[in-house]
Amino acid sequence: GQQLNQSPQSMFIQEGEDVSMNCTSSSIFNTWLWYKQDPGEGPVLLIALYKAGELTSNGRLTAQFGITRKDSFLNISASIPSDVGIYFCAGHLEYGNKLVFGAGTILRVKS
Amino acid sequence: NAGVTQTPKFQVLKTGQSMTLQCAQDMNHNSMYWYRQDPGMGLRLIYYSASEGTTDKGEVPNGYNVSRLNKREFSLRLESAAPSQTSVYFCASSEFGWGGGEQYFGPGTRLTVT
Repeated sequence: GQQLNQSPQSMFIQEGEDVSMNCTSSSIFNTWLWYKQDPGEGPVLLIALYKAGELTSNGRLTAQFGITRKDSFLNISASIPSDVGIYFCAGHLEYGNKLVFGAGTILRVKS
Repeated sequence: NAGVTQTPKFQVLKTGQSMTLQCAQDMNHNSMYWYRQDPGMGLRLIYYSASEGTTDKGEVPNGYNVSRLNKREFSLRLESAAPSQTSVYFCASSEFGWGGGEQYFGPGTRLTVT
């Protein structure tokens, strides 16, 4: 079953606003990955995080690997209409051999 | 650079029919994966191949078989399709296998079983 809790499940935001979403777990992760999926397409990798405390940016996107290794955050600054889609977190457990996925955050932008 | 490609993009099957979903990657990756995506369920691993010549079951393997044909290609077969297998299927690949590494996804195959 799901070992990652991703929140919020969905959100409407005003164009230009900043967005935050996060994934939490009771388990420890070695890697955090953030993906975006557009309608009818496959997930596209946005940011990969490999070390506790790591903060990485990709344009207007910034993600952090939580220092407890049990959570990760994704921030989108100054949202635009093309940010619409589903954002997934995923992580490799400390002990385990699978990539575990969150259920996704649906982002809708009010233009 | 095509990345991960999947065929077909759409398919409709009748219950009991069989079909094979094809996947190929051109990134010289060692590991390949098949996932299914259902509303509210996220991505669930069906089967994976850590390296050429090996395959293992994932979280939801029942009703499926796989073949790692060579380093580039990994196919998923439904022997006798059931309505519960209506889903979107994604193939993915990664340079390294387990414990880390970024997975790259194909565009998906949308399968409906009536």
